[in-house]
Amino acid sequence: GEDVEQSLFLSVREGDSSVINCTYTDSSSTYLYWYKQEPGAGLQLLTYIFSNMDMKQDQRLTVLLNKKDKHLSLRIADTQTGDSAIYFCAELQYHNNDMRFGAGTRLTVKP
Amino acid sequence: DAGVTQSPTHLIKTRGQHVTLRCSPISGHKSVSWYQQVLGQGPQFIFQYYEKEERGRGNFPDRFSARQFPNYSSELNVNALLLGDSALYLCASSLEQGSGGELFFGEGSRLTVL
Repeated sequence: GEDVEQSLFLSVREGDSSVINCTYTDSSSTYLYWYKQEPGAGLQLLTYIFSNMDMKQDQRLTVLLNKKDKHLSLRIADTQTGDSAIYFCAELQYHNNDMRFGAGTRLTVKP
Repeated sequence: DAGVTQSPTHLIKTRGQHVTLRCSPISGHKSVSWYQQVLGQGPQFIFQYYEKEERGRGNFPDRFSARQFPNYSSELNVNALLLGDSALYLCASSLEQGSGGELFFGEGSRLTVL
């Protein structure tokens, strides 16, 4: 099974905020990532956070990290139809350079 | 500047055959990693190479091998193909080994094994 867990689906209305949640298991992970994948395409790096940070904001994106609970979230403000895609959470295991991905959350934005 | 480029973009093989996939990292990046993404799942780590040496390996059989060249490009080889090897194979590059920070992916090579 996956070491990184995400809910599989999220549906929001255009203009609302989206919050995608993720839990990870390796407390030694140094970096945590959010990637976006559109149909038939590769992975687009959205943002990442170093494990000694609690929050990172980048334009419409806000990442929150709760190390105690091993919980990571991605908030997308003013969600647009172009944000519809699969979002992957990932943790970098520094000891072997293995990046572990969740199964992805499919975000659907309705007009 | 070109991003991570992979070739071929699509290919079809039959069981038992061999396949070679190629990746060129972003200019200046010295580390290349390979991932397998089966339909409906997240990518799974296969290998990481840095300065032409293997620096990390995921839980894949010995049929999978890779190498990195002096120009930092890389090849992934899969022997004795099985139906279950059908997947999108993604290459990613970063500046340094285990640098964390920015890891950029290519568009992938979609392999279908019949």
